[in-house]
Amino acid sequence: QVQLVQSGAELKKPGASVKVSCKASGYTFTSYYIHWVRQAPGQGLEWMGIINPSPGSTAYAQNFQGRVTMTRDTSTSTVYLDLSSLRSEDTAVYYCARGGMAIDFWGKGTLVTVSS
Amino acid sequence: DIQMTQSPSTLAASVGDRVTITCRASQNINNQLAWYQQKPGQAPKLLIYRASDLESGVPSRFSGSGSGTEFTLTVSSLQPDDFATYYCQHYHSYSGTFGQGTKVEIK
Repeated sequence: QVQLVQSGAELKKPGASVKVSCKASGYTFTSYYIHWVRQAPGQGLEWMGIINPSPGSTAYAQNFQGRVTMTRDTSTSTVYLDLSSLRSEDTAVYYCARGGMAIDFWGKGTLVTVSS
Repeated sequence: DIQMTQSPSTLAASVGDRVTITCRASQNINNQLAWYQQKPGQAPKLLIYRASDLESGVPSRFSGSGSGTEFTLTVSSLQPDDFATYYCQHYHSYSGTFGQGTKVEIK
């Protein structure tokens, strides 16, 4: 069965960076894009960007340009989200999600808390 | 980035009601639109893709329509399990903005 297993919760200080991982299994890793979507407490869904595991091309939302990097390791079927210069407004649950383009499967989410 | 505007932001309805949610794109996205349902503490669930195609396993009371810049999600007869928040998302041109969401509450 399809699984997207995300890394555990993170607590970061303002100005720091965070790296969240997402390990895929149960399907051909290179056949689907991976989206990253976040949701701040009590707020809506915010699309951050997309990575095509083959060949590793990416596209990022304008709001995150310059602060976000998405990478993948095809040998372990893992995708990574790097977000830098963290501020309190980045406190959110970060989801990786699989899609042809529409998202048909979601990870359980990783809570990132930014606090001094 | 393409902007997605959903309306209403909140909707109060009763079991059995017909409910319609609208989503407008800031530019033509053809039929590259999906609808999701999210319940508290859960990840979203895909309901509709390609504007009107029903995802496998989703009840037929859910339907989607539209193309270009205007889209609708309709629930033909609201059931207790349908009280949730609904989001549209475009996936045009290797991008994927969400609408701001519509919370469907019990009247």
